[in-house]
Amino acid sequence: SYELTQPPSVSVSPGQTARITCSADTWPSQSAYWYQRKPGQAPILVIYKDTERPSGIPEQFSGSRSGTTVTLTISGVQAEDEADYYCQSADNSGSYVVFGGGTKLTVL
Amino acid sequence: QVQLQESGPGLVKPSETLSLTCTVSGVTISLDHWSWIRQPPGKRLEWIGYVSSSGSIRYNPSLQSRVTISQDTPKNQFSLKLSSVTAADTAVYYCARQQLLWFGELLLDYFDYWGQGTLVTVSS
Repeated sequence: SYELTQPPSVSVSPGQTARITCSADTWPSQSAYWYQRKPGQAPILVIYKDTERPSGIPEQFSGSRSGTTVTLTISGVQAEDEADYYCQSADNSGSYVVFGGGTKLTVL
Repeated sequence: QVQLQESGPGLVKPSETLSLTCTVSGVTISLDHWSWIRQPPGKRLEWIGYVSSSGSIRYNPSLQSRVTISQDTPKNQFSLKLSSVTAADTAVYYCARQQLLWFGELLLDYFDYWGQGTLVTVSS
């Protein structure tokens, strides 16, 4: 098993770029996924397979990987992007799913 | 548009069984994998398990002895039962569609649609 580590909070001003990291001591050869969760709303998948955007997700959301750290980048942050963001991964068994601790994005 | 909605009691007594139902609209549950995930206050999201139309069921090993997930295809619903609950089972419970897709030798394993979540408190 492994643990995914995210910063508890990230703050940016409107129009700036937010970068949220997710790291592990050892990251197995598995993809990373990112979710956005606003209070009282269903979580939304914003990135899958490290870098892919689901249909309907704006281009301002992008994902990348470098070694054992994956990053969610939100360009041109707006007030409505304020939310909790979670990374997630799994192994190849279909029986092991792990989530990061979540990062609260605050738009100043 | 795929939508999921959790329902069930918001308060359960210790040692009793927690029961939740997820009603799915916009797609038939006879396809795909359908999962439960929870988040205790101040803690991480935790995958509980899934049921699939093929009859396969997988549970988180840490909860396996107490969990049952089943589906009611005619009603397009799936359910969670968690027995012998304690205060540690107090959490927001989410239902979600889980995608398990082979991409070469890589298994893509993620959740593309979620419900809003329902808070279940375990207390006497």
